[in-house]
Amino acid sequence: QVQLQESGPGLVRPSQTLSLTCTVSGDAIRIGSYYWNWIRQPAGKGLEWIGRIYTSGNTDYNSSLTSRVTISLDSSTNQFFLRLTSVTAADTAVYYCAREVFGVLPDYFDSWGPGALVTVSS
Amino acid sequence: DIQMTQSPSSLSASLGDRVTITCQASQDINKFLNWYQHKPGKAPKLLITDASKLQTGVPSRFSGSGSGTDFTLTISGLQPDDYATYFCQQYDRLVSFGGGTKVEIK
Repeated sequence: QVQLQESGPGLVRPSQTLSLTCTVSGDAIRIGSYYWNWIRQPAGKGLEWIGRIYTSGNTDYNSSLTSRVTISLDSSTNQFFLRLTSVTAADTAVYYCAREVFGVLPDYFDSWGPGALVTVSS
Repeated sequence: DIQMTQSPSSLSASLGDRVTITCQASQDINKFLNWYQHKPGKAPKLLITDASKLQTGVPSRFSGSGSGTDFTLTISGLQPDDYATYFCQQYDRLVSFGGGTKVEIK
């Protein structure tokens, strides 16, 4: 049973860079037909997809965030990463990492981390 | 990007009620829509894929319908365990989510 766990600073200053790590256990990140995703949820609002990475390193991003976001992975440590630059208070949210199954339809999210609250404040 | 408009954002219902939640896509997404149930402190649970395919182990009181741009999640006979937030997710082009519907006790 795969498990995902987000980690990183809970407080980031405005204009700085938000960096989060998702550690995957129970399965090798480099194996299988999976995308590794970042998703966030501001308080009282719905989920916003941030982007995803495939084991090859190919990435897709939400067009509203693409100028500020980078997702990468390290198969040797079984982790993938989120980097969001020039943050503002609007980036305050619970950030989730999640595994997306794809290849043979349907695509769907089958595993999620518990979420990590990141607050942007001075 | 495909925008998903979900309604209502919240509703109050009694045990045994029939509950209907809708999700509208900003463009045709065929049947490429999933529904999830999300409870506080827990990971979202996949209920339905391909708009209408019930996942193994999900009670049959849950059903999904629709294709193209308009989709519906129905709970026929609300049970105590069903009080949660529900959201739709399209996967036709990249990923996007509906805003969620919080189902509360009336």
